[in-house]
Parts: sequence; C-alpha cells; structure tokens
Amino acid sequence: DAGITQSPRHKVTETGTPVTLRCHQTENHRYMYWYRQDPGHGLRLIHYSYGVKDTDKGEVSDGYSVSRSKTEDFLLTLESATSSQTSVYFCAISRGHSYEQYFGPGTRLTVT
Amino acid sequence: DAKTTQPTSMDCAEGRAANLPCNHSTISGNEYVYWYRQIHSQGPQYIIHGLKNNETNEMASLIITEDRKSSTLILPHATLRDTAVYYCIVRREQSNQGGKLIFGQGTELSVKP
Repeated sequence: DAGITQSPRHKVTETGTPVTLRCHQTENHRYMYWYRQDPGHGLRLIHYSYGVKDTDKGEVSDGYSVSRSKTEDFLLTLESATSSQTSVYFCAISRGHSYEQYFGPGTRLTVT
Repeated sequence: DAKTTQPTSMDCAEGRAANLPCNHSTISGNEYVYWYRQIHSQGPQYIIHGLKNNETNEMASLIITEDRKSSTLILPHATLRDTAVYYCIVRREQSNQGGKLIFGQGTELSVKP
C-alpha cells in the first residue's frame, strides 16, 4: 500500500461539463502520474508530474489538464467532458530506487 | 523504450508453477525488464524487475536470458488469486521522466482449480 487515494471513485457526468479528479498520496513522493484504461488499449499515460508545479504531457493528453500545487495532490481536469473520455482513470506514484510505480484504486468516469 | 511481445492468454492449474514468457528482442543495454499485474477492477500492481541477473522476491521470480532478448516471470505456486493480466514492460531504470511506463496488452493468466 503506497497510501494513494483517488476521489471520486465513481462519477457520471454530462457532455460539456467540467470534471476534476483528485489523487492524494501520503508519502511525499516526487513523481505522480495519471493514466486512463480503456478496453483494447491497456493503460495509457495522460500527464505526469515530477514535482510541485512541474508537469508534462503523456501520450493521450488532449482534452486534459493537470495541476500540482502541493506534493500530496495531483489533480486531473477535463475542461469540457466528452463521451470519448468515458474511462477508468488511475493515478500512480513512483518510489524505490528503481522508480517502481504504485497505483491507486481508480476512478470510473462515465460521460453521457 | 523497447517493445515487448507476450502471449494473449495462458492457463495454469492451481498449485502449479505459472511461467509467463516475454520477448523483448530490441532491448538496450540500459533497459530493465519490469513486470506488473492487474487483477480485475483494481489498479496495476508492481511485481518485480531486473536488468540481467535472475531476481526473486516474495511474489515471483524473474529469469532473463543471457542475451536479454527474452524473460520469464515465474509464479512458483499459482493460486486462484493470481488470476490477472500480467504486463511485461521494458524501460530505463531512471530517466528525467521518472520512469514512465508504456503498457502493452499483457497476458491474461487464468488459474484453474
């Protein structure tokens, strides 16, 4: 257990509405990540952070923004949700000398 | 990061060893082999990783061939709770991206009674 929580765990929202997902960690790790998982695509990296206010894009970043104002929180925002963003979202942190990643429980987002 | 190839699915009898293969023929000298698994509806779980020597921990063993072009994850006594999708990932141990992972499709392991 790497002390990672995600909120909310489930959310249903309408197309065009903004949505923010939160990832919270309790162990002060530097690196944090947001992935999405869809059938047939496995896990794909959306954005990651390598410190407070330091973020970068992953392979599927279009339509998403992130913020990290505190070490413990990494927020993922969908400015205007679309049906293609219906997915399961996982947050992760890196720890250990080899930067193994540890994942949160996931957030299931449905955009109708 | 090098691409990996894994079988789509495998079966294993409960109590027997599960041997999951992975091909990574384009692996570079500074790239490690990592294994993760994902039990249904849960987040992925780190299992083990290695560079060129065989590795063992409380969960599994990792056997890497001498030429490093393939590896095998071994679960010595598979249980029903080991039913999951297993991902083999190759990447540099440390980079300025903090170890970004690229997941393939993985192997769906079914452990049967």
